[in-house]
Amino acid sequence: DTAVSQTPKYLVTQMGNDKSIKCEQNLGHDTMYWYKQDSKKFLKIMFSYNNKELIINETVPNRFSPKSPDKAHLNLHINSLELGDSAVYFCASSPTRLGTQYFGPGTRLTVL
Amino acid sequence: AQSVSQHNHHVILSEAASLELGCNYSYGGTVNLFWYVQYPGQHLQLLLKYFSGDPLVKGIKGFEAEFIKSKFSFNLRKPSVQWSDTAEYFCAVNARVTGGATNKLIFGTGTLLAVQP
Repeated sequence: DTAVSQTPKYLVTQMGNDKSIKCEQNLGHDTMYWYKQDSKKFLKIMFSYNNKELIINETVPNRFSPKSPDKAHLNLHINSLELGDSAVYFCASSPTRLGTQYFGPGTRLTVL
Repeated sequence: AQSVSQHNHHVILSEAASLELGCNYSYGGTVNLFWYVQYPGQHLQLLLKYFSGDPLVKGIKGFEAEFIKSKFSFNLRKPSVQWSDTAEYFCAVNARVTGGATNKLIFGTGTLLAVQP
């Protein structure tokens, strides 16, 4: 059973397109996150939701919009994709706001 | 601002050698500390964590880490590495801030460990 799952695993698209990445956790956790890992493997948080409420919104372009339809799902929609958006995007979840975070398998986004 | 430093960017060891990866953080308050591992092409997996109590914590696969508050350090150790330990290792800090809590994990830049058979 996959605890934190993401779809798709790979996403290749053209500049200017709009795309979404989906994340689901079956751990019953309250808090979910999106992280971006750049080409140098540096990981940085983008967003966090706690029980469907946005609690962390880092300095991220407003082309990125997270949506949490319920506490088990946190999707990431990206408008007008740019070359610099190419990265691996990781979803994570934790039981509480300060609990241990468990990561999904990542989505490798390549913008051409 | 909180930050995490991992001094070794790339470490090469032979099998059976001992490993110590450095991690220092900058934050004066209460912290939770983590080591994650990322095997080639895979997602981040938790190796071990420190929340409170005994500063020497043991994790999976024979790894351990010691929290030294006075040095703001949380170094990762393993007495004898194996080829299968080849991976990227990330130290992370989850800091509590005055008046509330934050669940931002601040990651170090990672250490790439290559173990030669």
